[in-house]
Amino acid sequence: GAGVSQSPSNKVTEKGKDVELRCDPISGHTALYWYRQRLGQGLEFLIYFQGNSAPDKSGLPSDRFSAERTGESVSTLTIQRTQQEDSAVYLCASSLGQQGGQFFGPGTRLTVL
Amino acid sequence: GDSVTQMEGPVTLSEEAFLTINCTYTATGYPSLFWYVQYPGEGLQLLLKATKADDKGSNKGFEATYRKETTSFHLEKGSVQVSDSAVYFCALRSRQNNNDMRFGAGTRLTVKP
Repeated sequence: GAGVSQSPSNKVTEKGKDVELRCDPISGHTALYWYRQRLGQGLEFLIYFQGNSAPDKSGLPSDRFSAERTGESVSTLTIQRTQQEDSAVYLCASSLGQQGGQFFGPGTRLTVL
Repeated sequence: GDSVTQMEGPVTLSEEAFLTINCTYTATGYPSLFWYVQYPGEGLQLLLKATKADDKGSNKGFEATYRKETTSFHLEKGSVQVSDSAVYFCALRSRQNNNDMRFGAGTRLTVKP
């Protein structure tokens, strides 16, 4: 597609439920990032995928968070047993390798009640 | 660890005023530095970047110079327009870990006609 797309755009869930967020990167971009942006705060790095290399999971805040990527295409971020502090905008970005500028998707706003 | 500190907002200016948004960084080695912009209702977009000391990034009338001696990357524009109203994020990419991008908290700019 023309840009990075994410779905859903908004997700409201109850505490304790699992959620799955999707990211479709720009075609041909080998690098894919997930970030979290809490209200009024900067972006927190969560996880990075580069081609077929092992992902960099160093930013995942707990074992409730996981992400997968199929080759160099779609990625899903899964949050299990959601907590209220998980409420945030989750942003996905892709780039042409590590040195390119990142192109961001519109984000998924997650609200945990 | 590596970090970015940027000027707190919000910033409100009149059209044609001069803009400066301060950004300083702490990093091991010499990171690459970026400014991203998020227009209302849109995703983050790369505005400009600089990859080594004394480099000047520029785009759409905005400029920022990589100053190693002051560890700064201040964003400037000589004459802002209403259409520049957005949230601006300073960011760095670590040389030690190319996966690791650190973002500032963002500065909201509102330009009034």
